[in-house]
Amino acid sequence: EAQVTQNPRYLITVTGKKLTVTCSQNMNHEYMSWYRQDPGLGLRQIYYSMNVEVTDKGDVPEGYKVSRKEKRNFPLILESPSPNQTSLYFCASSWGQRGSPEAFFGQGTRLTVV
Amino acid sequence: KQEVTQIPAALSVPEGENLVLNCSFTDSAIYNLQWFRQDPGKGLTSLLLIQSSQREQTSGRLNASLDKSSGRSTLYIAASQPGDSATYLCALGGGATNKLIFGTGTLLAVQP
Repeated sequence: EAQVTQNPRYLITVTGKKLTVTCSQNMNHEYMSWYRQDPGLGLRQIYYSMNVEVTDKGDVPEGYKVSRKEKRNFPLILESPSPNQTSLYFCASSWGQRGSPEAFFGQGTRLTVV
Repeated sequence: KQEVTQIPAALSVPEGENLVLNCSFTDSAIYNLQWFRQDPGKGLTSLLLIQSSQREQTSGRLNASLDKSSGRSTLYIAASQPGDSATYLCALGGGATNKLIFGTGTLLAVQP
């Protein structure tokens, strides 16, 4: 089954404690991205990757890091989480420029930073 | 800057009714438009993708249309069912970065 898998689904952490949210896709997609969803602000892009070792900032990148060492994985790293990073996070993938632009999303990770 | 608006913000209809959800955007230079549904506590499920050269797409009881010149897309749901209750999001995508710009969403409740 074609899918985007995020882990964990739920996470409560304390301010300053580094964490990583994993994202993996099994569709051989080139393009992957991270979004956060907040009430009243909708979904906003954090970072994206056009291919392995190619990443760039989205609209709200402050406080986040990403890496793309393998095509299937695109982890989101919060080096020193703060309460304003409490949000619902989504990973997405698509073919990008070489095929259908249809985006597929993971199930989401609800992060609470206290 | 592209802005995407969805009207209405919330909609409640009785089961069996046909309904239309609207999505408006300010910049007609788009690459594609995608409709998603989001269920509480769950991810986004892709419903339909309309590429910029297309005018509509259909899947089962769903039909999405795109009019770039007027900056509008509609999602038509025929014979609505309680299982259609969810938040519906439209998103404009494509370009060099393939970034999706999301609308504000329509919360749909279908009453049995």
